Amino acid sequence: GDSVTQMEGPVTLSEEAFLTINCTYTATGYPSLFWYVQYPGEGLQLLLKATKADDKGSNKGFEATYRKETTSFHLEKGSVQVSDSAVYFCALIIQGAQKLVFGQGTRLTINP
Amino acid sequence: ETGVTQSPTHLIKTRGQQVTLRCSSQSGHNTVSWYQQALGQGPQFIFQYYREEENGRGNFPPRFSGLQFPNYSSELNVNALELDDSALYLCASSPGSGAPHEQYFGPGTRLTVT
Repeated sequence: GDSVTQMEGPVTLSEEAFLTINCTYTATGYPSLFWYVQYPGEGLQLLLKATKADDKGSNKGFEATYRKETTSFHLEKGSVQVSDSAVYFCALIIQGAQKLVFGQGTRLTINP
Repeated sequence: ETGVTQSPTHLIKTRGQQVTLRCSSQSGHNTVSWYQQALGQGPQFIFQYYREEENGRGNFPPRFSGLQFPNYSSELNVNALELDDSALYLCASSPGSGAPHEQYFGPGTRLTVT
C-alpha cells in the first residue's frame, strides 16, 4: 500500500542552522507530495507541494524537490528561526484517490 | 475568504456515549475529508464526502459515520465511544474530488473519552 516514512524526531537545532527533514514514500500510483506544518494547539497548514517528478515546492524559505528515482521529498531550509518550531508532516495523495497519506511527523525545536 | 472551521474545539465524553463533530468547508470547496490524529501520530483518513455522498473510506469501523449538507458543511458521528477514540479530529476541504488537490485543514476538535 501507499506509505510515507519520515526521519525520527525530535530534532533540535540552534537558530540560523541548516535544516533537513528526510521523507521517503511508497506509492502504488503517481503521487503528489506535500509538506504540512502543525503549530502547537493548531490544525495542519499546507507548507509546500510538488505534483510531478523534479518539481521543487517552496514557501517561507522552505524547499523540497520531488525525486522519483529515490522516492524522496526531503524538506530543507537554509537558516531556521525560533518561529519554525512545530511538527512537520510529509504526505502524499495518489491521483484519483481521496485520501492524504501522512508520515508520523517530525517535531522540530529551534533554540535561540 | 473564510477558512475551514470546526466545532466544538474540545469535548469530553464517557465511554459508550455518542458524539457529533461539525465542520464548515472553505468557500468554493465541495469536498470534505475527515481525519483522526492520535497523540504523537500522523492523521489517519476516516472518510470523504463529495457533493453529499461518501466518496471513499479508510480503515474505520461503521460506528464512524458522516453526513454532508447541501451547503457542503459536514458532520462526523461516532457511536459507542471507546477510550482509543480519544484524538484530534481534523476536517479538511478541497475544491473537488478526483484530482490531487491540496486539502485545507481546520483547527480540529480534540475529543477525550473517559
